[in-house]
Amino acid sequence: DQQVKQNSPSLSVQEGRISILNCDYTNSMFDYFLWYKKYPAEGPTFLISISSIKDKNEDGRFTVFLNKSAKHLSLHIVPSQPGDSAVYFCAASGSNTGKLIFGQGTTLQVKP
Amino acid sequence: KAGVTQTPRYLIKTRGQQVTLSCSPISGHRSVSWYQQTPGQGLQFLFEYFSETQRNKGNFPGRFSGRQFSNSRSEMNVSTLELGDSALYLCASSLKGLALLETQYFGPGTRLLVL
Repeated sequence: DQQVKQNSPSLSVQEGRISILNCDYTNSMFDYFLWYKKYPAEGPTFLISISSIKDKNEDGRFTVFLNKSAKHLSLHIVPSQPGDSAVYFCAASGSNTGKLIFGQGTTLQVKP
Repeated sequence: KAGVTQTPRYLIKTRGQQVTLSCSPISGHRSVSWYQQTPGQGLQFLFEYFSETQRNKGNFPGRFSGRQFSNSRSEMNVSTLELGDSALYLCASSLKGLALLETQYFGPGTRLLVL
């Protein structure tokens, strides 16, 4: 049972444009959501998080949007840079889970 | 502040052997979680330790075990290795654990290859 889903395995955007990565979840008990960026053979690097009491959180070029009714979150990167090329994972947790549930990841390629 | 460190970074073992991986969390962090990443299954939770006690456990067989020391450092052990155990093993730390909706910070991982 895949509780966190990233339906797009890959995304390609032009440098300077917006990258939008999407994530859906099924467990309504999740109340904390995170995005991680990962390079091959490295550990995930934390990017940004959002709790269920908010619908938007912004940090520099990165903004995460949460739509609780749709059980959907998205990560916007504006403007996209070639260095953003990596695999992006969304993850979810709840106060009753004590663990991160990860999506399958989306590979982002930003072309110069 | 130093990040999460894991040793060794790479390891090659043969089937039937056992292996121990080590993780040192960020200073002050008391919760340590372990994850397995494989191409087919993605990132999957193994277990979490807090104050030397296993607090949460994922759906892995008993061959996978761990422990945490009084200084919060953690070790993970896999006994009777199988080919399917080949994976990147990731350790993550946080102050008190995800039950308090904290961010986990990951180490670089240990790449285990079972031949």
